[in-house]
Amino acid sequence: RKEVEQDPGPFNVPEGATVAFNCTYSNSASQSFFWYRQDCRKEPKLLMSVYSSGNEDGRFTAQLNRASQYISLLIRDSKLSDSATYLCVVNSETGGFKTIFGAGTRLFVKA
Amino acid sequence: DAGITQSPRYKITETGRQVTLMCHQTWSHSYMFWYRQDLGHGLRLIYYSAAADITDKGEVPDGYVVSRSKTENFPLTLESATRSQTSVYFCASRLYGTSGAQETQYFGPGTRLLVL
Repeated sequence: RKEVEQDPGPFNVPEGATVAFNCTYSNSASQSFFWYRQDCRKEPKLLMSVYSSGNEDGRFTAQLNRASQYISLLIRDSKLSDSATYLCVVNSETGGFKTIFGAGTRLFVKA
Repeated sequence: DAGITQSPRYKITETGRQVTLMCHQTWSHSYMFWYRQDLGHGLRLIYYSAAADITDKGEVPDGYVVSRSKTENFPLTLESATRSQTSVYFCASRLYGTSGAQETQYFGPGTRLLVL
């Protein structure tokens, strides 16, 4: 089993739709969590951190459930420019520094 | 411009040759990382460095060597390239710390390596 698992998609949605991505992680000692965005043939860039209480940044909402070891990202009112791959990222500094990236979920937003 | 840069951006080499990928950052970040990205595997950590002269193995270190004599540079060397090392290589850096913005990793543009 992979340490961080995501639905690979692709998700094909129309503009204006709401789409949710899920991510599960296996290391209960994981300490911090992030969503990164990666455009085709580009480097990953931080989209948002994920806090225990949940957090929102404009149209994006991230949730963390430590008990279930589950992270989610909700995108409301999807734009064409949201088309990208979304990477779930988990950090652990127990027993050595460790950052694990999920394989990513591909999103296509269509007009 | 300030930031994190990688060179070369594209490289074709042959099996058995030594190849060095360069990474340079201008932020004086403590941590630097090398990842490889392959279809189906996502990003996998090869090596990382917490500071100059401190390096440690990541998930897939075999066949790679790193050094960090200066804070701003973190070269990755493939001592004897193999076809399985064909990949996209990303360098990243971050501040030292465990809260908020300190944990954000900033990635270079990547090096696309083809081993024939």
